[in-house]
Amino acid sequence: SQTIHQWPATLVQPVGSPLSLECTVEGTSNPNLYWYRQAAGRGLQLLFYSVGIGQISSEVPQNLSASRPQDRQFILSSKKLLLSDSGFYLCAWSPGLAGATGELFFGEGSRLTVL
Amino acid sequence: KQEVTQIPAALSVPEGENLVLNCSFTDSAIYNLQWFRQDPGKGLTSLLLIQSSQREQTSGRLNASLDKSSGRSTLYIAASQPGDSATYLCAVRVRRGSARQLTFGSGTQLTVLP
Repeated sequence: SQTIHQWPATLVQPVGSPLSLECTVEGTSNPNLYWYRQAAGRGLQLLFYSVGIGQISSEVPQNLSASRPQDRQFILSSKKLLLSDSGFYLCAWSPGLAGATGELFFGEGSRLTVL
Repeated sequence: KQEVTQIPAALSVPEGENLVLNCSFTDSAIYNLQWFRQDPGKGLTSLLLIQSSQREQTSGRLNASLDKSSGRSTLYIAASQPGDSATYLCAVRVRRGSARQLTFGSGTQLTVLP
């Protein structure tokens, strides 16, 4: 069966510090990978998605970046965090094969607080 | 632009009641619709996925229906339990294979009172 792991679960960082959140998927190949952010009292906002190694699409201009160094690894980064980067970050995956159902599966999330 | 609305934003019911959560969307040309559950501080758990060609899906005490023409989906929960307390979100995918077209509602926060 497929599983998705995301870490760290909780992170408290000062303004201006770097960020690295990591996500890995097991039990599948060539998944589509996604990073979402969920701010308090707001809906889910798609930040980045990837359909393959090295292929990253950005949905929202920001000081965040994403990378996919391996097929089942997705990393969210920032060189200098802003207060507005605080939020709940969720990694997700969906089957990348043609004809797949398109069902989306989420990780447990990473709570980022920028002070 | 696809917009997804979930009403009510919050719902409180006594244990044992059957209940319906609503999801409406503005663009009926959807590929599929997915219902999720989110517990406080946790990720989203997929509950049911309905393809555009389907009318409903069932899993245990949950039943989700889809009416594309009216732009509506409902999630029916039978014999509610305190463990069902969570936020329920629906998400609509408009075009196959395009992550950019997945739009989420803001959720309904359900509390089942013992």
